Amino acid sequence: GQSLEQPSEVTAVEGAIVQINCTYQTSGFYGLSWYQQHDGGAPTFLSYNALDGLEETGRFSSFLSRSDSYGYLLLQELQMKDSASYFCAVSSVGGATNKLIFGTGTLLAVQP
Amino acid sequence: GAGVSQSPSNKVTEKGKDVELRCDPISGHTALYWYRQSLGQGLEFLIYFQGNSAPDKSGLPSDRFSAERTGGSVSTLTIQRTQQEDSAVYLCASSSTGSEKAFFGQGTRLTVV
Repeated sequence: GQSLEQPSEVTAVEGAIVQINCTYQTSGFYGLSWYQQHDGGAPTFLSYNALDGLEETGRFSSFLSRSDSYGYLLLQELQMKDSASYFCAVSSVGGATNKLIFGTGTLLAVQP
Repeated sequence: GAGVSQSPSNKVTEKGKDVELRCDPISGHTALYWYRQSLGQGLEFLIYFQGNSAPDKSGLPSDRFSAERTGGSVSTLTIQRTQQEDSAVYLCASSSTGSEKAFFGQGTRLTVV
């Protein structure tokens, strides 16, 4: 089976940098994704890592270490609108299918 | 369509009744997922369709839950003999072949009373 662990809550101030970690256990690992979900909204895709290293998209960066089964999402220059839940998700290959399994999510609170 | 569409947006049903939830994925997307999200919780995987392959039903919590996808497009999630613990938001997502980016619908909020 698959399991993912993330911190349940993180608090930071506007303008700061925050890192949300994700460790996973899965068979047939294919890649690690990150999604953002505002309260009452739908999850939206942020980034994806299939290979080790850092992927940068504007203020957001995502890192993957396949050997450590670990990744993180880095949010820079935090804004109030970044207050949301952040989910890591693994794409795993099982048989003929490649499904997406989510972690339990990290609630980020950005304070003024 | 422009995005993933789910209907109804809200559904209140009596315990023991059957419900059907509908998902219209983005046109051309071959992969379709159903997830369940309880208040303040993560996304619980239910079922995954990929093209013409047999669906991955490993996340369905009981035999009261079933889903089908007709013509590789619209999907229906059916919950029979609903229980109060079935109350949650049911989310549908779709993605295109070879893409790891899943697009989610706004979900159906199911309340069993």
